[in-house]
Amino acid sequence: GIQVEQSPPDLILQEGANSTLRCNFSDSVNNLQWFHQNPWGQLINLFYIPSGTKQNGRLSATTVATERYSLLYISSSQTTDSGVYFCARGANSGYALNFGKGTSLLVTP
Amino acid sequence: DGGITQSPKYLFRKEGQNVTLSCEQNLNHDAMYWYRQDPGQGLRLIYYSQIVNDFQKGDIAEGYSVSREKKESFPLTVTSAQKNPTAFYLCASSMGTVTEAFFGQGTRLTVV
Repeated sequence: GIQVEQSPPDLILQEGANSTLRCNFSDSVNNLQWFHQNPWGQLINLFYIPSGTKQNGRLSATTVATERYSLLYISSSQTTDSGVYFCARGANSGYALNFGKGTSLLVTP
Repeated sequence: DGGITQSPKYLFRKEGQNVTLSCEQNLNHDAMYWYRQDPGQGLRLIYYSQIVNDFQKGDIAEGYSVSREKKESFPLTVTSAQKNPTAFYLCASSMGTVTEAFFGQGTRLTVV
């Protein structure tokens, strides 16, 4: 089946540090999303980014569809950034998002 | 406010009983989805629907059933045939299957 692999699986940062989360996928992509799951379980939309680069405050994301990967950058991390970050990929019309297993991020004071 | 509403947030079920989870959206989205999440795991697709009166099985449909009689509603029934139903269930919707998807707050189901 279609594979979505995220790395690293776990990450511990000190407040103020920068980090890069990676998402590799095994097939073509028409839809690529990054989510942050908060401690209550809600999935918060970060980026819809099937290609190119987007920035939103301290977060930015880049998807290189031809090389089948996407990166999420977190700069000047804060304790509120803690949680699980998911990458999800969609293919052609008619299919739903496939999720990676996530990167669990802990930002310490 | 526009969004996706799942109810209830917490649900307890006795083994052998069917239970229905509600998902309603007022975003005028055509596509709706149900995912299951187990502790420490990613989301796995149960069912999805692209239009009213049509739906497709996802990766783990066994023991579940859905209906899509109205555009705004996509209820999920967890049947007694589901061997391990205790999990966190998330509903989502999108305009189409290649457009941005948005999620509800989830329902935590516990079988006792």
